[in-house]
Amino acid sequence: DAGVTQSPTHLIKTRGQHVTLRCSPISGHKSVSWYQQVLGQGPQFIFQYYEKEERGRGNFPDRFSARQFPNYSSELNVNALLLGDSALYLCASSLAGYSNQPQHFGDGTRLSIL
Amino acid sequence: GENVGLHLPTLSVQEGDNSIINCAYSNSASDYFIWYKQESGKGPQFIIDIRSNMDKRQGQRVTVLLNKTVKHLSLQIAATQPGDSAVYFCAEKGYSITGNQFYFGTGTSLTVIP
Repeated sequence: DAGVTQSPTHLIKTRGQHVTLRCSPISGHKSVSWYQQVLGQGPQFIFQYYEKEERGRGNFPDRFSARQFPNYSSELNVNALLLGDSALYLCASSLAGYSNQPQHFGDGTRLSIL
Repeated sequence: GENVGLHLPTLSVQEGDNSIINCAYSNSASDYFIWYKQESGKGPQFIIDIRSNMDKRQGQRVTVLLNKTVKHLSLQIAATQPGDSAVYFCAEKGYSITGNQFYFGTGTSLTVIP
């Protein structure tokens, strides 16, 4: 079975630009979460979506937004890119939104800002 | 916010020995914890989870221990193999007014010496 898939795998942007990252969850999973992982650190929570509704938001500026589609796939959008946005962006899916269930991660999108 | 930290940033073990990776958490109300393994260039891979109503849980070659009195988690890997070399993260399920999210520690880099 396919795991969590993310696209693109790598992306290079310049400051001030906008970026859209995409995620397809494991089949049957209805919750998607987004994390930012800076080199040498653990993932930092950005958003959680369940049944197309935002269920959690981390401490990130309003330049970061996301949405979930009827097929449970998700997009993460970042506007007005800054050098500090360079990171690995990870998507994780789980069966449901609030129960104690593991999140399963994709291999991420490596975003570099020049 | 929650503080999930690791005692040692790096750990080297001989192939065949047992490994122990430690993790401290700060929120005594946390009720769900996960250990992840992250190899270079990949997303975190689920290893094992434990709920707060348990003290110990075993998987294949791995055991997680939870000590709620001192808010401490450990991951034990039996008969460590070269393929176990990776960064290991503990993650704590936290609760906030904005919803559910997982807090990750900094990570421990495990190197297995053949």
